[in-house]
Amino acid sequence: DGGITQSPKYLFRKEGQNVTLSCEQNLNHDAMYWYRQDPGQGLRLIYYSQIVNDFQKGDIAEGYSVSREKKESFPLTVTSAQKNPTAFYLCASSKNRDMVAVSTEAFFGQGTRLTVV
Amino acid sequence: AQRVTQPEKLLSVFKGAPVELKCNYSYSGSPELFWYVQYSRQRLQLLLRHISRESIKGFTADLNKGETSFHLKKPFAQEEDSAMYYCALQPLFSGGYNKLIFGAGTRLAVHP
Repeated sequence: DGGITQSPKYLFRKEGQNVTLSCEQNLNHDAMYWYRQDPGQGLRLIYYSQIVNDFQKGDIAEGYSVSREKKESFPLTVTSAQKNPTAFYLCASSKNRDMVAVSTEAFFGQGTRLTVV
Repeated sequence: AQRVTQPEKLLSVFKGAPVELKCNYSYSGSPELFWYVQYSRQRLQLLLRHISRESIKGFTADLNKGETSFHLKKPFAQEEDSAMYYCALQPLFSGGYNKLIFGAGTRLAVHP
């Protein structure tokens, strides 16, 4: 069953702790993305990666880190430096754009809700 | 800088009424524009992209480069259209970096 899987669905973290959110895809997509979804603010881009071993900061990268050691996996670490980490996190993947006609439709995971307690 | 603006947080209409969800963008190059939809308890999914010039579930969207807009329209709303709608932008030619940016979203509520 092809798709993109995020785990866990719910995550609780104590203040001052780092936590890692998992994102795995078996769609053979090169590009992967992490977004944060807050009420009234839509999806804000945290990090994105176009290819293995390469990633770029999005608009709100402070307090987050990522790695892209494998094509299928793009884990996100929420560090203790993130001032307001409680949020819903969405991972997505897509083909890279090689030609204008290529569809770069993004496929999304079910999301992880992180709560700091 | 890339930016997508959806001015309405909530759009409430009656079944059968026309719908227009507004989207304006800011980008100096050539963009590709998308509409994504999230139905209750479902994943965010693509509704349509401007390059395809297609109509999906009765929805259409036209890219207006002069007004930098990509409004989503449907002539007769149905109750099953109730969902969260996001407008998104991605550069067409960006040297290999396909940054995908979303707006804040508009919740469409269609009442019987």
